[in-house]
Amino acid sequence: NAGVTQTPKFQVLKTGQSMTLQCAQDMNHNSMYWYRQDPGMGLRLIYYSASEGTTDKGEVPNGYNVSRLNKREFSLRLESAAPSQTSVYFCASTLAPGSYGYTFGSGTRLTVV
Amino acid sequence: SQQGEEDPQALSIQEGENATMNCSYKTSINNLQWYRQNSGRGLVHLILIRSNEREKHSGRLRVTLDTSKKSSSLLITASRAADTASYFCATDKAGYSTLTFGKGTMLLVSP
Repeated sequence: NAGVTQTPKFQVLKTGQSMTLQCAQDMNHNSMYWYRQDPGMGLRLIYYSASEGTTDKGEVPNGYNVSRLNKREFSLRLESAAPSQTSVYFCASTLAPGSYGYTFGSGTRLTVV
Repeated sequence: SQQGEEDPQALSIQEGENATMNCSYKTSINNLQWYRQNSGRGLVHLILIRSNEREKHSGRLRVTLDTSKKSSSLLITASRAADTASYFCATDKAGYSTLTFGKGTMLLVSP
């Protein structure tokens, strides 16, 4: 099925460990996004890539890095995980921001202990 | 910072009743969107309304937009138990290529 695929679905990390969250879309969308969702906070934008070859910071970028590997893939890296990064992470994509809605992946539930 | 804020935070109704959720925002927008999230799942896009539109329909959904009041409402008619979910509004600010989400309204529809 066409859509946004995120891996892994669940992950437990120890403080200080690193990991990369993977996201791939097969809809030929131009723009891709990483959000985190915390209880009572709604969704907050971490980083985004408006088009292949570009990335920009969102509202809460500290502690994260991203790579737009190609048009399909947009990864999120935690270099040194902290308990404050315990959250559910969602990747999303859209053909054209401002004209179309976003398609979301099913999320990665990350716990940092 | 949150651009959109939904009201109420939680809503509990019976099947067959209508559900109305409201969203207020602060700055000029290109469009406003509504999303649904079932527990533990990703968000699903429901409807997009542009800043020059006042009302839009999609099946049992009706969205209104009042740019003078910087507010929008989502009406779900003849609610079903399957409509139980969290509903988020999101705004696409003029000049930006990102969406800012509110904190959501939790809707519970009881059989």
